[in-house]
Amino acid sequence: GAGVSQSPRYKVTKRGQDVALRCDPISGHVSLYWYRQALGQGPEFLTYFNYEAQQDKSGLPNDRFSAERPEGSISTLTIQRTEQRDSAMYRCASSSQETQYFGPGTRLLVL
Amino acid sequence: QKEVEQNSGPLSVPEGAIASLNCTYSDRGSQSFFWYRQYSGKSPELIMFIYSNGDKEDGRFTAQLNKASQYVSLLIRDSQPSDSATYLCAVNIQNTDKLIFGTGTRLQVFP
Repeated sequence: GAGVSQSPRYKVTKRGQDVALRCDPISGHVSLYWYRQALGQGPEFLTYFNYEAQQDKSGLPNDRFSAERPEGSISTLTIQRTEQRDSAMYRCASSSQETQYFGPGTRLLVL
Repeated sequence: QKEVEQNSGPLSVPEGAIASLNCTYSDRGSQSFFWYRQYSGKSPELIMFIYSNGDKEDGRFTAQLNKASQYVSLLIRDSQPSDSATYLCAVNIQNTDKLIFGTGTRLQVFP
């Protein structure tokens, strides 16, 4: 079956613009996670959902970052007023039990 | 103290040797432990998970867990050049579905 998909795969934006990153989890997976990964580092937890409910957003760096999963399937991570320090790989993962399966990521570059 | 610690490496081993990758964690309440492999430019993929003290074997891979010492390791027998990658240790936070990743250990297997 299809794995986790993310779009866009690459996003270049100018500082101050808003961006929306999309994640389509594996069909039937209850939980969905967002991570940010810097080069040479492990994935850093941002937030996660069970169904449509956001369970934990403690990893979101500041209030410019938000996420939603309104129908318990596709999720969107939004970054408002982007800054250069937001440049990173943003990864989504989904799980049905404890094992998380990662998508290909969205590479964000803020100029 | 970081929540999950790994030696960043690189760990270099000859083809056919045993590679030993180590990870320590700080949350005594953690119950689930995962090893992910990440090839350069790719997303993390799950290799193994372990929940109970002791060893768990899957093919050439063995995960070892010692909760008293807060230590988890991954052994790769008969290492192959195709095993060259970064290996990420991930640990769940007690009573949550949240995973904390280490920075990863880069493994190089030379012919």
